[in-house]
Amino acid sequence: QVQLLQSGAVVRKPGSSVKVSCKVSGGTFNNYGISWVRQAPGQGLEWIGGIIPTFGTAKFAQRFHDRVTITADESASTAYMEIFSLGSDDTAVYYCARSHTSGLYACDFWGQGTLVTVSS
Amino acid sequence: VLTQSPGTLSLSPGERATLSCRASQSVNRNYLAWYQQRPGQTPRLFIYGTSGRVGGIPDRFSGSGSGTDFTLTISRLEPEDFAVYYCQQYGTSLSNTFGQGTKLEIK
Repeated sequence: QVQLLQSGAVVRKPGSSVKVSCKVSGGTFNNYGISWVRQAPGQGLEWIGGIIPTFGTAKFAQRFHDRVTITADESASTAYMEIFSLGSDDTAVYYCARSHTSGLYACDFWGQGTLVTVSS
Repeated sequence: VLTQSPGTLSLSPGERATLSCRASQSVNRNYLAWYQQRPGQTPRLFIYGTSGRVGGIPDRFSGSGSGTDFTLTISRLEPEDFAVYYCQQYGTSLSNTFGQGTKLEIK
């Protein structure tokens, strides 16, 4: 069974950055896309970006392309997402999720979520 | 941009539910997915490629549509179906955008 295990909850100050990890076990990592999705309290899902590990090139939603990096370490079956210049509106649960097939597609396996709280 | 309607749908168990998802541009290769999210849980993929049902999803759930208009239909609502449903377009050179969600609540 595929499992995605994310790093734990964090608190960050405005203007700082945060890096969240997502380790994939029990299934293929290299050519299945990993997406990052966030959900602010009481709000809907927002796609941030994603990466196909074997290709290494990330794709981003327009509003995040200049302050988010997404990387993948194939040897560790782990993907990472780092957000810079955090603001209070970045407070959310951040999910990683794996595509249901090769490529960056709809996601059938999800991590447990990482709560990022931005507060001074 | 994906626009879901209605924002909230109030129905009773046993009734038929029809959820809409409209795209501002034609969805590439009909790469449109539907997810269910229950309170406190992670999203769960139900439908991919407009009408492909994920293994283990009951056949009362069906997806249809093409171009810019897509529909998720639940033929007979069960108590466990009341949740929030999101559509998502994917596989494009642009963003894998989500709709804003439809809350399906018990009437």
